[in-house]
Amino acid sequence: KQEVTQIPAALSVPEGENLVLNCSFTDSAIYNLQWFRQDPGKGLTSLLLIQSSQREQTSGRLNASLDKSSGRSTLYIAASQPGDSATYLCAVRPVAAGNKLTFGGGTRVLVKP
Amino acid sequence: NAGVTQTPKFRVLKTGQSMTLLCAQDMNHEYMYWYRQDPGMGLRLIHYSVGEGTTAKGEVPDGYNVSRLKKQNFLLGLESAAPSQTSVYFCASSRGGTSGTETQYFGPGTRLLVL
Repeated sequence: KQEVTQIPAALSVPEGENLVLNCSFTDSAIYNLQWFRQDPGKGLTSLLLIQSSQREQTSGRLNASLDKSSGRSTLYIAASQPGDSATYLCAVRPVAAGNKLTFGGGTRVLVKP
Repeated sequence: NAGVTQTPKFRVLKTGQSMTLLCAQDMNHEYMYWYRQDPGMGLRLIHYSVGEGTTAKGEVPDGYNVSRLKKQNFLLGLESAAPSQTSVYFCASSRGGTSGTETQYFGPGTRLLVL
């Protein structure tokens, strides 16, 4: 059974510092891995999707890498801003699970001005 | 284009009461999902549907029922609410497929408190 882990559960950094969020998964047979952002009391917004054949994806200040062999993904957010404060969730789409996603527990980020 | 909408946004129930959560999507997606989110546990799949008239169990289906009579709607029912069902419920939809580019689109969530 696929398991997804995100450590740490919470992170606090001063504004301007780079953020590094980690995600690990147990089964490398995946279609893709996604990073979502969740603001308090809101739904999830997809930030980046990395297909299994890709190594990384970039969007503005965000960069996500994928290493299937080691079962790891890292989300980098450059020059963090207070508006980046949110919970970031990692999810994988296992091949064995069809179109279903398996989520990690999330990392709650606070960027202090 | 509203995406995925959920009704209601917040509800308080007493133990043993029943209720139905409604999810609607306007993207003509085949797949729809119901998740629950509890503190520190990420999202867990309750039930899902791969098309109109179909439903299937997810990771935590006990105590819930679902129906998908119309392609655009996915209903989640609690027949006899229990305090353990206090949670935030999210609905999602997706196109489906195996290209690896598919993503799920999420609604804003329903906060349910069972006393």
